[in-house]
Amino acid sequence: GEDVEQSLFLSVREGDSSVINCTYTDSSSTYLYWYKQEPGAGLQLLTYIFSNMDMKQDQRLTVLLNKKDKHLSLRIADTQTGDSAIYFCAETPGGGKLIFGQGTELSVKP
Amino acid sequence: DAGITQSPRHKVTETGTPVTLRCHQTENHRYMYWYRQDPGHGLRLIHYSYGVKDTDKGEVSDGYSVSRSKTEDFLLTLESATSSQTSVYFCAISDGARTGGAETQYFGPGTRLLVL
Repeated sequence: GEDVEQSLFLSVREGDSSVINCTYTDSSSTYLYWYKQEPGAGLQLLTYIFSNMDMKQDQRLTVLLNKKDKHLSLRIADTQTGDSAIYFCAETPGGGKLIFGQGTELSVKP
Repeated sequence: DAGITQSPRHKVTETGTPVTLRCHQTENHRYMYWYRQDPGHGLRLIHYSYGVKDTDKGEVSDGYSVSRSKTEDFLLTLESATSSQTSVYFCAISDGARTGGAETQYFGPGTRLLVL
């Protein structure tokens, strides 16, 4: 079945880099997404990567995609306290649907 | 959350009562979705719609029904609420574009539902 896996927690110090990992199952996913959820809020689109790319950089965010291993990662450089949130990866099995991982709660300590 | 509202934002109800949650969009997007979010499960798709009067089941559709009579509104109904339906419910929309982000979905602020 469809099962996107993420570790549940990550704690880093302010100014360090954070790396959030995700493994997905559907090799036909055209796009893979990262969403951010702040406390009490809905999900905000953070970034996405097209499946024929292996890297995408957007300011402090770097997305790496290893299609062979079905592994996706999100690196946040110079992590700030405002980056504390839950981060979800999602795959696209088709039909306009997204399948989400369980979410990784990032805690940034001063 | 711009262009997507959900109502009510909070609701407490009793087991066995019917409950309807509303999602309203002003973006004229074709696709609309209902998810529930529970600890340890991420977001799970309940139902979705790909046009007026066109809906389909998601991963966890049992106990839920939906209706979409207008492009802008997507209603989620719990016919007879149970305690297992206590959750946070999110609506999402997408224009289903196949360029520059494909199935990119935009989320509403959520509805917290407590079934006693």
